[in-house]
Amino acid sequence: DVKVTQSSRYLVKRTGEKVFLECVQDMDHENMFWYRQDPGLGLRLIYFSYDVKMKEKGDIPEGYSVSREKKERFSLILESASTNQTSMYLCASSRRDRPYYYEQYFGPGTRLTVT
Amino acid sequence: AQSVTQLDSQVPVFEEAPVELRCNYSSSVSVYLFWYVQYPNQGLQLLLKYLSGSTLVKGINGFEAEFNKSQTSFHLRKPSVHISDTAEYFCAVSEVDSNYQLIWGAGTKLIIKP
Repeated sequence: DVKVTQSSRYLVKRTGEKVFLECVQDMDHENMFWYRQDPGLGLRLIYFSYDVKMKEKGDIPEGYSVSREKKERFSLILESASTNQTSMYLCASSRRDRPYYYEQYFGPGTRLTVT
Repeated sequence: AQSVTQLDSQVPVFEEAPVELRCNYSSSVSVYLFWYVQYPNQGLQLLLKYLSGSTLVKGINGFEAEFNKSQTSFHLRKPSVHISDTAEYFCAVSEVDSNYQLIWGAGTKLIIKP
């Protein structure tokens, strides 16, 4: 069974802390994504990676950075957490070739609360 | 695709009744269309997709959707819902020759009443 796993289901951090969210996929997918999910707003893309060490900004990259040192692992970093980053964070992966690019496989999500 | 609109934030329906979840998009070019489902406390999973060909597409768990190019719609339907269909449903669109990005709707929560 294919899988995308995320390091934590729930996380509580304080304002100003550096936060690491980890995502691992076992499907040998080239593409990996970080989304933020907020009620009524759907999914918003934070960052995307199409290869090791490669990244592209999505719609809302401000306040976030990413790291992809290995093909299977994609990390989201909040350099200095703020309360407006309280949200559900979803990681996804997909193949590189069209149209399979759009068939994204999601992890269960990390619900981050910043106090 | 400029935007995706899911017209209903919540749809309550009785068990075994039919349901339609509506999705409209704005684009003047060819598109790929998707419905994803998110069951409680889980990530999203692909329900069905339209890439080309027949405008009526069938997905998992008895769901189907019809692409209507003139109406720029991709409504999701099921003839008889079950309590296990309780979930949030997301419509997503991408223009065929665009970059990688999916444009997502805000989601529709399907609430099944016993």
